[in-house]
Amino acid sequence: GQNIDQPTEMTATEGAIVQINCTYQTSGFNGLFWYQQHAGEAPTFLSYNVLDGLEEKGRFSSFLSRSKGYSYLLLKELQMKDSASYLCASNTGFQKLVFGTGTRLLVSP
Amino acid sequence: SQTIHQWPATLVQPVGSPLSLECTVEGTSNPNLYWYRQAAGRGLQLLFYSVGIGQISSEVPQNLSASRPQDRQFILSSKKLLLSDSGFYLCAWAQGAGTQYFGPGTRLLVL
Repeated sequence: GQNIDQPTEMTATEGAIVQINCTYQTSGFNGLFWYQQHAGEAPTFLSYNVLDGLEEKGRFSSFLSRSKGYSYLLLKELQMKDSASYLCASNTGFQKLVFGTGTRLLVSP
Repeated sequence: SQTIHQWPATLVQPVGSPLSLECTVEGTSNPNLYWYRQAAGRGLQLLFYSVGIGQISSEVPQNLSASRPQDRQFILSSKKLLLSDSGFYLCAWAQGAGTQYFGPGTRLLVL
């Protein structure tokens, strides 16, 4: 079966750090994607982890542990514009992605 | 650079009516193309994907169909819409095994 779990909703304060966790159990695994989706808009690509470890891109970092079926997205120096849903997706092979339901992040002043 | 277009942006259709949503990609050739649906409170669900002209793989049995008449054109259709077809339809492209990039989406409401 295919199962992606991530928290439904998180809140944080402007300037803070937040970590959004994702656990996955999929038949086939070729990497883990994170997308950002603002309300009413299409998802935009944030990161892709294939190997274990941390990938850093400016204020955003993503971590993968394949043995634990676990990933997280770390957002630093939160800004109001970071309020959005964050989608975790497992690449099960041939670019077929299985998505979680997304974590809605609300950043307050 | 590559761009992906979808139209219409929004659509309100009665139950039982036909549907045609179009997606086109510019700036790349022979892309993999995908149709997803996002229902309220649910994750993105892969409906169809295509690796070339006329090649369609269906992921979920339903009353929808897809066609790829040209290299960079992907069409989602239905002969008779159901209430449950309401949702946000997203087209995406990828170059080979690369990252998928999404179009702006079509919001469909079936009444």
